[in-house]
Amino acid sequence: EAQVTQNPRYLITVTGKKLTVTCSQNMNHEYMSWYRQDPGLGLRQIYYSMNVEVTDKGDVPEGYKVSRKEKRNFPLILESPSPNQTSLYFCASSTGGASEKLFFGSGTQLSVL
Amino acid sequence: SQQGEEDPQALSIQEGENATMNCSYKTSINNLQWYRQNSGRGLVHLILIRSNEREKHSGRLRVTLDTSKKSSSLLITASRAADTASYFCATRVGNNRLAFGKGNQVVVIP
Repeated sequence: EAQVTQNPRYLITVTGKKLTVTCSQNMNHEYMSWYRQDPGLGLRQIYYSMNVEVTDKGDVPEGYKVSRKEKRNFPLILESPSPNQTSLYFCASSTGGASEKLFFGSGTQLSVL
Repeated sequence: SQQGEEDPQALSIQEGENATMNCSYKTSINNLQWYRQNSGRGLVHLILIRSNEREKHSGRLRVTLDTSKKSSSLLITASRAADTASYFCATRVGNNRLAFGKGNQVVVIP
C-alpha cells in the first residue's frame, strides 16, 4: 500500500531534549516536505527536499533541521525543542514537486513542556 | 506566507444539502489543489485543477477556477455526515513550496 509513515504519533518531551520525528515513504517520490499545523495559522511549511541531499527552507525553518540521505526517508530534527514548537506535524511527499498531489502522513502531535 | 484563503471559515449544513466554499489566492498559478482533513488526521488530496481549466468534477465534488479573479470554489453536492471535515486549498509559491490556506471547517448534521 502506498503510504507516508510518520513516527511517533504522539510525543511529549521537555525543553531542550533533542528529538527526531521520522518520515518514510514507499512511493519512490522525489519531493518530500514537513509542515506544522497550529490553530488559526493553518499549515506552514518547515522544510522541503527535492531529492537526496537537496533540502531547502520553507516558511518557518527556525529551530528545525532535516536531512535526506536516502530517497525514502526525511527525518525532522529538533535539536533543542522549545514550548513554541508544540504543534501537529505532518510529513508529505509527491512525485512532481510542489505542483503535484501531495500524500500526507498521519501526523505527529508534539508537546514540549 | 498564506497563498490561499478560504471563505467562509466555518459552515454548518444539514445532510443532503450542498456545501460551497471559496478560496482566493494572490499570485499566478499553474494549478490549485483542494485537500480534506478529518479531525487531526493527515490531509487527503481531493482534486487538482490546472490554470487552463475552468471546472472539474470528481464524484460529488465540483471545483471551479477563475484565474481573472484569482479565486476557486469547491462545491460538495448532497452532503453526508462523513463529509464533516476541514477543507484546504493550496497553491504553489515560488519554485517548490506549496502554501495552504487556513482551512474551512464543514459540519454536516445528520
